[in-house]
Amino acid sequence: AQSVAQPEDQVNVAEGNPLTVKCTYSVSGNPYLFWYVQYPNRGLQFLLKYITGDNLVKGSYGFEAEFNKSQTSFHLKKPSALVSDSALYFCAVRATKSAGNNRKLIWGLGTSLAVNP
Amino acid sequence: NAGVMQNPRHLVRRRGQEARLRCSPMKGHSHVYWYRQLPEEGLKFMVYLQKENIIDESGMPKERFSAEFPKEGPSILRIQQVVRGDSAAYFCASSGGSGRADTQYFGPGTRLTVL
Repeated sequence: AQSVAQPEDQVNVAEGNPLTVKCTYSVSGNPYLFWYVQYPNRGLQFLLKYITGDNLVKGSYGFEAEFNKSQTSFHLKKPSALVSDSALYFCAVRATKSAGNNRKLIWGLGTSLAVNP
Repeated sequence: NAGVMQNPRHLVRRRGQEARLRCSPMKGHSHVYWYRQLPEEGLKFMVYLQKENIIDESGMPKERFSAEFPKEGPSILRIQQVVRGDSAAYFCASSGGSGRADTQYFGPGTRLTVL
């Protein structure tokens, strides 16, 4: 079965420190991987995606993510966290080999990031 | 270029009433997705539509829920005879249809409260 796991419900970091939000996946074939961020009482905003090519993907607001095929991971990273990065982060995956609805995203449960001043 | 629009942003209904949620996709997008988000939970896929067609409704409850995306006008998610358990945030997303790699862009959501 296809699935996405975000093993940490919450991540706390100090402002200025590097941050990592973890995501692992299980899909058939090669995955398309996405990160979204949700601020309180707002919709989800697209941050970045991995389709193919370079394993390190750069996205919005200084975020980047590294695709690791052997570890089936797609961790979100930022070199220096800001208080304004505090939000809920979602990882999602779409399989490249699937029957039926080929656009369906499988979502993680989200990780709440708190950046402390 | 306007993003995905949803209205109303907040909707209060009493048990047994009907709720209609509207979604206007981004300009040029012909694919619409509806999700439900319950407190402390992630997103749950409900339905995927293209113009005048339901492509995948595997996440939508069989009763009381329906969705449409007409040739003209917004996509509508309709919940009949609402119950308290329907209280949630409902998000719409749209994409441009470039295949499996296309990105879904989300609206601000409609927060439904059932009294």
